[in-house]
Amino acid sequence: GAGVSQTPSNKVTEKGKYVELRCDPISGHTALYWYRQSLGQGPEFLIYFQGTGAADDSGLPNDRFFAVRPEGSVSTLKIQRTERGDSAVYLCASSLNHGRQETQYFGPGTRLLVL
Amino acid sequence: AQSVTQPDIHITVSEGASLELRCNYSYGATPYLFWYVQSPGQGLQLLLKYFSGDTLVQGIKGFEAEFKRSQSSFNLRKPSVHWSDAAEYFCAGADSNYQLIWGAGTKLIIKP
Repeated sequence: GAGVSQTPSNKVTEKGKYVELRCDPISGHTALYWYRQSLGQGPEFLIYFQGTGAADDSGLPNDRFFAVRPEGSVSTLKIQRTERGDSAVYLCASSLNHGRQETQYFGPGTRLLVL
Repeated sequence: AQSVTQPDIHITVSEGASLELRCNYSYGATPYLFWYVQSPGQGLQLLLKYFSGDTLVQGIKGFEAEFKRSQSSFNLRKPSVHWSDAAEYFCAGADSNYQLIWGAGTKLIIKP
């Protein structure tokens, strides 16, 4: 079946611009996660949704970052007033439910470059 | 604080040789531990996971990992590597909020 998809695969923007990154989870998965991965690092948790609501947004670095999942399926990560330090690969994952034993399935990521 | 450490940034192994990638964790209770592989242009793919029970866990692509509580380790092994195993490998653990905490990764380089 279809896996997690993310669009765009690459995004180049200028400092100060607004960007939106999209994630399509596996159908039927209630939990959706956003991570950020900088070069040479493991993924860093940003936020996760259980259904439509953000259950834990403690990883969002500041109020320039925001994410939504209005219908409990597709999610959009929004970054306002982008900074060069936001350059990274943004990963999305989904799982059937949220829990320690659940397997998270990852998309290929969106590589964001802020010039 | 809970943490996962991968001491080796990169490892070079000859094709056909055995492999062991190290992972150390710091958790108070029984940890839930995972190994993922990330190939260029690919998403992270789960190789195996440990929750409880048998401490030797079998995964996909011929990988296995052994949980050793006394050493706080969850090392990944493969008896004979193939050139297609060249990738970056991440160890992760689930914390008390069920969030994955990740190691920094180990890049595996295969010599022909």
